[in-house]
Amino acid sequence: ETGVTQTPRHLVMGMTNKKSLKCEQHLGHNAMYWYKQSAKKPLELMFVYNFKEQTENNSVPSRFSPECPNSSHLFLHLHTLQPEDSALYLCASSQEGITGDLHFGNGTRLTVT
Amino acid sequence: QQQVKQSPQSLIVQKGGIPIINCAYENTAFDYFPWYQQFPGKGPALLIAIRPDVSEKKEGRFTISFNKSAKQFSLHIMDSQPGDSATYFCASWVGGSTLGRLYFGRGTQLTVWP
Repeated sequence: ETGVTQTPRHLVMGMTNKKSLKCEQHLGHNAMYWYKQSAKKPLELMFVYNFKEQTENNSVPSRFSPECPNSSHLFLHLHTLQPEDSALYLCASSQEGITGDLHFGNGTRLTVT
Repeated sequence: QQQVKQSPQSLIVQKGGIPIINCAYENTAFDYFPWYQQFPGKGPALLIAIRPDVSEKKEGRFTISFNKSAKQFSLHIMDSQPGDSATYFCASWVGGSTLGRLYFGRGTQLTVWP
């Protein structure tokens, strides 16, 4: 049972829809991340939050909008996505300043039609 | 520019074989090297990790060999089993003043035949 829970597990949305991905961590960590995983590509870091403050935005298009209301919850708001945005979106958490050990959720498989 | 280069992209071995996955890096500031294992439908999970002050670390059937001068490290899986079939990612970590960064390789899809 992972300490990082992501919902929904699967999402199909049209290009004009608005949806949100949710992530919750039960590990007491203070850093949370969104990664994008596409076939045959390295894991792409999208956003990093440290103590609820966004510390990194890796040139992600504005159609992806993160929100971190507290250190246990992370959202990724989606609107007017493109078919190339179809991927597995992974949330992870870590205890900043300790090690490079990330704890990942099982991801949301997103399909944009 | 890819910070961590991983090979091979895919690997097939017989049960009991010893698959070896290799990774190379350029940034000498990296100070922690974890390996992640990912099964279909799951997120990556930390498997084993090493710091650059040691040349080898062993945990069960999994061993990391680290060559600091060559800036290379590799994962060996002893007595591989069909249950080891998964995608393996190497990664390199650099600590920062605010938050460290973890750079991943592209992954190796391992298949172990019974």
